[in-house]
Amino acid sequence: GAVVSQHPSWVICKSGTSVKIECRSLDFQATTMFWYRQFPKQSLMLMATSNEGSKATYEQGVEKDKFLINHASLTLSTLTVTSAHPEDSSFYICSARDRTGAYEQYFGPGTRLTVT
Amino acid sequence: QKEVEQNSGPLSVPEGAIASLNCTYSDRGSQSFFWYRQYSGKSPELIMSIYSNGDKEDGRFTAQLNKASQYVSLLIRDSQPSDSATYLCAVFPSGYNKLIFGAGTRLAVHP
Repeated sequence: GAVVSQHPSWVICKSGTSVKIECRSLDFQATTMFWYRQFPKQSLMLMATSNEGSKATYEQGVEKDKFLINHASLTLSTLTVTSAHPEDSSFYICSARDRTGAYEQYFGPGTRLTVT
Repeated sequence: QKEVEQNSGPLSVPEGAIASLNCTYSDRGSQSFFWYRQYSGKSPELIMSIYSNGDKEDGRFTAQLNKASQYVSLLIRDSQPSDSATYLCAVFPSGYNKLIFGAGTRLAVHP
């Protein structure tokens, strides 16, 4: 149980285009989902927290107009990187918390974004 | 600012030995503690959660929690080369809606 999927697993896009990443909890309902990014050999960096049906809460320094997050249902959250630039190239990972109340968070497999 | 501290390593242990990974946290009111394993190029995987003082065992893994000392540890018995990864300690501070992660300890198990 507690499986989180992400799609796509990797994507290459041209500078200036937008990319959407989907995160789904497959066997549980997630009231809260989280989006992280991680540069090579660096720590996880939380970008934003999203609750189903409400606006995402962004961490300090993360541009909300650039990284659009939608948590449309209890099993789906999306991250859209708008007007992507090479410096947005990174490993984007979502995680989800089970709505049953446990604080355990389960991570998706991640999406590797390369902007050329 | 809630903080979680880990020694970055690398911690090098021979195959078959016990690997001991340590973590301290700043928020005394924290109630939930987790260990994640992250292989290079992959996402983190939850391996242990602990909520009460004492030890919790799961297979070759034992998590230890001491809230008075604000200290969490992970023991890996009979370490295998496949255990070589970065281990992330994560804490759920009181009044927060998110986990705070340590920077991780890199473990290398050599044959």
